[in-house]
Amino acid sequence: QSVLTQPPSVSGAPGQRVTISCTGSSSNIGAGYDVHWYQQLPGTAPKLLIYGNSNRPSGVPDRFSGSKSGTSASLAISGLQAEDEADYYCQSYDSSLSVLYVFGTGTKVTVL
Amino acid sequence: EVQLVESGGGLVKPGGSLRLSCAASGFTFSSYSMNWVRQAPGKGLEWVSSISSSSSYIYYADSVKGRFTISRDNAKNSLYLQMNSLRAEDTAVYYCARVGVGGSGAYYYYYMDVWGKGTTVTVSS
Repeated sequence: QSVLTQPPSVSGAPGQRVTISCTGSSSNIGAGYDVHWYQQLPGTAPKLLIYGNSNRPSGVPDRFSGSKSGTSASLAISGLQAEDEADYYCQSYDSSLSVLYVFGTGTKVTVL
Repeated sequence: EVQLVESGGGLVKPGGSLRLSCAASGFTFSSYSMNWVRQAPGKGLEWVSSISSSSSYIYYADSVKGRFTISRDNAKNSLYLQMNSLRAEDTAVYYCARVGVGGSGAYYYYYMDVWGKGTTVTVSS
């Protein structure tokens, strides 16, 4: 099982704001390691959404924002749209594991 | 256009072998570290292996160590994953991904900024 825990699902109506948490520990997020977020639309490959806690690659709408505090990180989606329905994964590094990249458990976002 | 295209997946019996390839285009392949990431059916993402730009540094997840071998050919802009002693639990979509780097000074962070579409590996008798 992953060391980064996410809620299995979140939902919201179009136009609403939803947030996805990514909870870690003192050996990963709490140790200061950066968090990155990926979006996986149904049947497609993951796509980088946020890197370095809060940076958006070019082409990613500013409706998506990331933050980090303590042992957790969050992804916020404001002005939720139907095309945002997807799985979202956080990713970081853990100093206690022999794993370079640790992914979160994943969150399914449903647009009502 | 920056692109990664995986190939080589298929159906293989337990204990068998398979070699995955990933063809890169649209960027200077030899300047980037590369990863393999897999996703079992209905499951989340799992990092499998990493290789640095010049193949000097190679890392594996414990779940594949001793069975999988990552390699690259910068002259051919290609990344490979040799998979031996395959098990049912290796069944997954395998993605190759380019490693992006951020930070400065004493601290750098790594993420995956370009992904291929994936190739499916099924291990079953």
